[in-house]
Amino acid sequence: DTEVTQTPKHLVMGMTNKKSLKCEQHMGHRAMYWYKQKAKKPPELMFVYSYEKLSINESVPSRFSPECPNSSLLNLHLHALQPEDSALYLCASSLTGGGHFTDTQYFGPGTRLTVL
Amino acid sequence: AQSVTQPDIHITVSEGASLELRCNYSYGATPYLFWYVQSPGQGLQLLLKYFSGDTLVQGIKGFEAEFKRSQSSFNLRKPSVHWSDAAEYFCAVAARPGNQFYFGTGTSLTVIP
Repeated sequence: DTEVTQTPKHLVMGMTNKKSLKCEQHMGHRAMYWYKQKAKKPPELMFVYSYEKLSINESVPSRFSPECPNSSLLNLHLHALQPEDSALYLCASSLTGGGHFTDTQYFGPGTRLTVL
Repeated sequence: AQSVTQPDIHITVSEGASLELRCNYSYGATPYLFWYVQSPGQGLQLLLKYFSGDTLVQGIKGFEAEFKRSQSSFNLRKPSVHWSDAAEYFCAVAARPGNQFYFGTGTSLTVIP
């Protein structure tokens, strides 16, 4: 099973809402990643969790709050977002972490977020 | 400054024709190099990667890439393109050592019958 699942597929939220994105993998991977991808642009790394600890935060605004409750699950909590945060949010996982990115990353299909 | 560049924003090829997608990088030391493909409405899939050794790397779906240190390039090739290859292709680099990972700007591939 090389699948990374993400829910929901689509999300529309207002600027005052609080919502969460969920990512799950059952491949025994110990590193998990959040990326943001604007339309017609490449994905940009947001966060990396390695062995359930936050190892990389690419200066992401605090209105994005990641959480890794266990080795299979990664959440991204959203609060007070801006319309410019509308994007495709991709989750990925890899066998090991350590921040060296040498392991193959397996990507989920993404959550398309629209902020009104 | 460190960067990864894909000079071709969009490429159109006929089905059955050969394909080459260009990727150039600018880093102090040779980074780890990757090619990913993203089909419409889907996540990304790794095609191949290069860390060291043989400069010609074979990947999935019939793709290969050649690392050329002298040109700071890692170009992706396929001898015969299929309609299902239409997608967005991203070159990516990971600095070594370090905790940086960047995608290039991407090349959109259209395949015409």
